[in-house]
Amino acid sequence: AQSVTQLGSHVSVSEGALVLLRCNYSSSVPPYLFWYVQYPNQGLQLLLKYTSAATLVKGINGFEAEFKKSETSFHLTKPSAHMSDAAEYFCAVSRTGTASKLTFGTGTRLQVTL
Amino acid sequence: DSGVTQTPKHLITATGQRVTLRCSPRSGDLSVYWYQQSLDQGLQFLIQYYNGEERAKGNILERFSAQQFPDLHSELNLSSLELGDSALYFCASSVGQGSGYTFGSGTRLTVV
Repeated sequence: AQSVTQLGSHVSVSEGALVLLRCNYSSSVPPYLFWYVQYPNQGLQLLLKYTSAATLVKGINGFEAEFKKSETSFHLTKPSAHMSDAAEYFCAVSRTGTASKLTFGTGTRLQVTL
Repeated sequence: DSGVTQTPKHLITATGQRVTLRCSPRSGDLSVYWYQQSLDQGLQFLIQYYNGEERAKGNILERFSAQQFPDLHSELNLSSLELGDSALYFCASSVGQGSGYTFGSGTRLTVV
């Protein structure tokens, strides 16, 4: 079975600072990995995905994530935080295969301060 | 607009009642997934349909059922509702493996 662990339920950064949200995965087979963002009272929006091509994945809104097999990690980063980045972020994993279900982490709430 | 439409957006009902949540997937997507999001349980996978057939089942209660119709829209039926069923219910759709999901904006169910 696949699972993801998100370290830190709350992360606070200053505007302009580096954003680092941590995600470690567990999977017995090569996984697909995803990051989603959820703004208040909205659904989840796909930020980026890893599907066994390039290990450094670039997504929307300046976010990127690097797949590190040796560390079983898929951390999300952004060089410079903006106030509009304040939201909840979810890491998710699925098996490779036809339309497999996603298993989500517990989420990390990002707060951006002035 | 993500392309996945969920109705209604809000629903308030009494314990013991039955409700139906509706989802229209993004055009071309054959898979529909239902998730429940609550403060204490996080995002829980309920059930998946692929082109009208049940494909996978998660932590879905026996009081809950779903189906996907020939036009690919899906309905989630929740019966004998309890206070603990209050949550956000999301529908998502996907076109295939590795594509990720497109989520709807959810139905907020409040059981009183």
